[in-house]
This record gives sequence, C-alpha cells and structure tokens, in this order.
Amino acid sequence: AQKVTQAQTEISVVEKEDVTLDCVYETRDTTYYLFWYKQPPSGELVFLIRRNSFDEQNEISGRYSWNFQKSTSSFNFTITASQVVDSAVYFCALSVNSGYALNFGKGTSLLVTP
Amino acid sequence: EAQVTQNPRYLITVTGKKLTVTCSQNMNHEYMSWYRQDPGLGLRQIYYSMNVEVTDKGDVPEGYKVSRKEKRNFPLILESPSPNQTSLYFCASSLRDFGRGLRNTEAFFGQGTRLTVV
Repeated sequence: AQKVTQAQTEISVVEKEDVTLDCVYETRDTTYYLFWYKQPPSGELVFLIRRNSFDEQNEISGRYSWNFQKSTSSFNFTITASQVVDSAVYFCALSVNSGYALNFGKGTSLLVTP
Repeated sequence: EAQVTQNPRYLITVTGKKLTVTCSQNMNHEYMSWYRQDPGLGLRQIYYSMNVEVTDKGDVPEGYKVSRKEKRNFPLILESPSPNQTSLYFCASSLRDFGRGLRNTEAFFGQGTRLTVV
C-alpha cells in the first residue's frame, strides 16, 4: 500500500521568509511518481510539479524548489522569499506504476502574513 | 484550452434525493477519476475509469456510482445521498498512466463541486 505523510498541518510565516514543506512517502513499487499541488482559498487544485522515481534531480522554478531524496523517501518543497499569494494548502501525492490513483497526503496549510 | 469541467460548482440537497455531478474533459484522456476532499483527510479516490466502459472502485466507493459511456464524460451519481457525503468533490483526468507522459505530465483537476446534504 502507498502512503504519503505531511507531518506539518499548519505553518505560519512572515512575508519574505523561506519555508519548507515536508513530504515523506511509502511504497514498495520501484517505479513511482511524486506530485505537489497547491490549493488556494478559491479551492481549485493547481499542479506544481511531478517527479519520477528514476529521476533524482532536484528542481527549481523561480522561488520554488523541490528536494527529492530516495534514501529518506522524502520530496520536500521549499518556497524562498515567501509572499502573501503563497498562502494556500499544499498537497503532496504519490502514484505508482502498478496503480491508478493519486495517493494524497493530508495537506499543509501555509499562511504567509505581511 | 485543456480543461476538466465539473457541474455544478455548488449543490445543496436533501437526504435521499438522487443527484448527478457531471464531469467532462477535452484532452482525449483515457483515465478519469473522482476524489472527495474532507478536512484533515486530504483527497481520497472514490472511483476511476481506465477507458470507456471500464471502471473500478477506489478507496471510498460506498454510496457512489459512476459510468463511462463516452471518453470525455465521467459522471458521479449519488443514488441516495446522506449527510456523510457532504464534501468537496474533484474530477480528474490524465493520460493512460503518468509513466507514459512527458516529464511533467499531470492529473488535470476540475474546479470542484461543493456538496452539502442536509
């Protein structure tokens, strides 16, 4: 069975601070895919990134960066110089090659205050 | 524009009154699924479909039905809604499986349907 753990339920930071959202996953499949989605207050799910298990490169996209570490089964997400518009719930998700579901973590609610 | 369209966005209904939430995608995706989102639980898969006329249960299928008569449509049916089905529902579509796609193949989600059963 697959499992995704986002241990941080809520995080509150002041604008311009850096913040890291943790994601730990469990799977016995050797081929799997990891995702991050953002859910702003308006409710829609916004795709941020997908990472394959066989691609351990870290990714940077503007103020966002992702650190994929197979050795610790983690796929952490860092926002540099946070902004108020980053306030949202962030979900980490896992899909395995043998399955048809996105297994979501419970989400981390990020509040960025001015 | 690539999109998944759900309707309605908001729905308040009474216990036992059958309802259907529609979902349509314009990307010719084989794979579609339904999720429900509840506070503290994240998103959980209700049903999924690998292609036309092929559907299967997800993690929380009780009380729901689906059908896939056309590739683009995947309606969610609640034959006799109950208050514990009050939730935020999302429809999603993607390529056959994530491994077949480009590096950043994603699951496209609809805007969500907020259902309240009283």
